[in-house]
Amino acid sequence: TQLLEQSPQFLSIQEGENLTVYCNSSSVFSSLQWYRQEPGEGPVLLVTVVTGGEVKKLKRLTFQFGDARKDSSLHITAAQPGDTGLYLCAGAPAGNQFYFGTGTSLTVIP
Amino acid sequence: SAVISQKPSRDICQRGTSLTIQCQVDSQVTMMFWYRQQPGQSLTLIATANQGSEATYESGFVIDKFPISRPNLTFSTLTVSNMSPEDSSIYLCSVSKGNTEAFFGQGTRLTVV
Repeated sequence: TQLLEQSPQFLSIQEGENLTVYCNSSSVFSSLQWYRQEPGEGPVLLVTVVTGGEVKKLKRLTFQFGDARKDSSLHITAAQPGDTGLYLCAGAPAGNQFYFGTGTSLTVIP
Repeated sequence: SAVISQKPSRDICQRGTSLTIQCQVDSQVTMMFWYRQQPGQSLTLIATANQGSEATYESGFVIDKFPISRPNLTFSTLTVSNMSPEDSSIYLCSVSKGNTEAFFGQGTRLTVV
């Protein structure tokens, strides 16, 4: 059973469009992270959200942590081809072992 | 932050053989983690490598198939034993600083033929 479910699994959009990726769990997390991974590389941290209801912005990316700290979303405004990649949410429910979401593969078409 | 070097970066192996993947970190860390990732898919945690004790394996992974060494606080190895084509995957080494960020090596792309 996957601890963190992401939707959608695949997303292909035109440059300039907006999109939202969701990360849901039945478990409560003290924090959730979002990573982006490009082919041939390991995942790289984008942001960590800690407080329920927290909203963080990173240029065109907006991250939100659910009030109950069980879910999170990533919204990209005016997507660009450079945003193409695999987006992963992750959390450490106990200790320092990270469990990753099911992943969302994003393709932005020029 | 942490810089992780992993090798080999890729390999093609015959079924029935074993491959040992090395992971070197630029700082001392208590725990190191090994993940498996099918191309385009998410990461699945294989095991946690603890220095001075046996590794802790996740459900579905066993020591006989994936023996792990952790001789010191900056190094670990993962062996994929008696390989079959189903073991073809990307294997990633990781460390964490607290529970707010994980750092990764570039991974080892394994193809079993």
